[in-house]
Amino acid sequence: EVQLVQSGAEVKKPGESLKISCKGSGYNFAGYWIGWVRQMPGKGLEWMGMIYPADSDTTYSPSFQGQVTLSVDMSMNTAYLQWSSLKASDTAFYFCARLWGNYHFDYWGQGTLVTVSS
Amino acid sequence: EIALTQSPGTLTLSPGERATLSCRASQSVTSNYVAWYQQKPGQAPRLLMYGTSSRATGIPDRFSGSGSETEFTLTISRLEPEDIAVYYCQQYGSSPHSFGPGTKLEIK
Repeated sequence: EVQLVQSGAEVKKPGESLKISCKGSGYNFAGYWIGWVRQMPGKGLEWMGMIYPADSDTTYSPSFQGQVTLSVDMSMNTAYLQWSSLKASDTAFYFCARLWGNYHFDYWGQGTLVTVSS
Repeated sequence: EIALTQSPGTLTLSPGERATLSCRASQSVTSNYVAWYQQKPGQAPRLLMYGTSSRATGIPDRFSGSGSETEFTLTISRLEPEDIAVYYCQQYGSSPHSFGPGTKLEIK
């Protein structure tokens, strides 16, 4: 069974750094792109970017380029989304999801709530 | 970048009725690479349709998709109470793989 399990909720202060995770199981982790999606409170879905674990090839949405970093640890079958300096506007749910090919999302993680508040 | 709009913003129908949700793209979507997702409150989105008209695994045939180029439609033929959710379209023909703003489906 394909599963994506994300790390737990985080509460951070503005300016702090953060790295959240997404662990894949039940499939060949290396061979499928992993994407990240932001959902701000009460709002819609925003496509942030995607990473191919086998070679760490990465594509970012222009809206998120330079604001976040995607990475993977193949030994842990885990993908990461990180911030070097959080802002209050980063408060949101963040979902990871597996891409079929580099196309649509077929499996989703449960989401990680990130709250940034002073 | 391709921008997607969805209409209506909110749709309120009775059980057994037919729901028609629209998604319009600002430019033609390559290979009609459009997907639809269902998101229930407090849950992650779930894939319903991909490639405009292919149903994802386990999705009942009450759900169907159609369209081409810039106009796409998700149809739910006979609404059930469990269909209460927000429905998002997504294009993945070009990067970034943008989402529409969603249609909220309410059941009377």
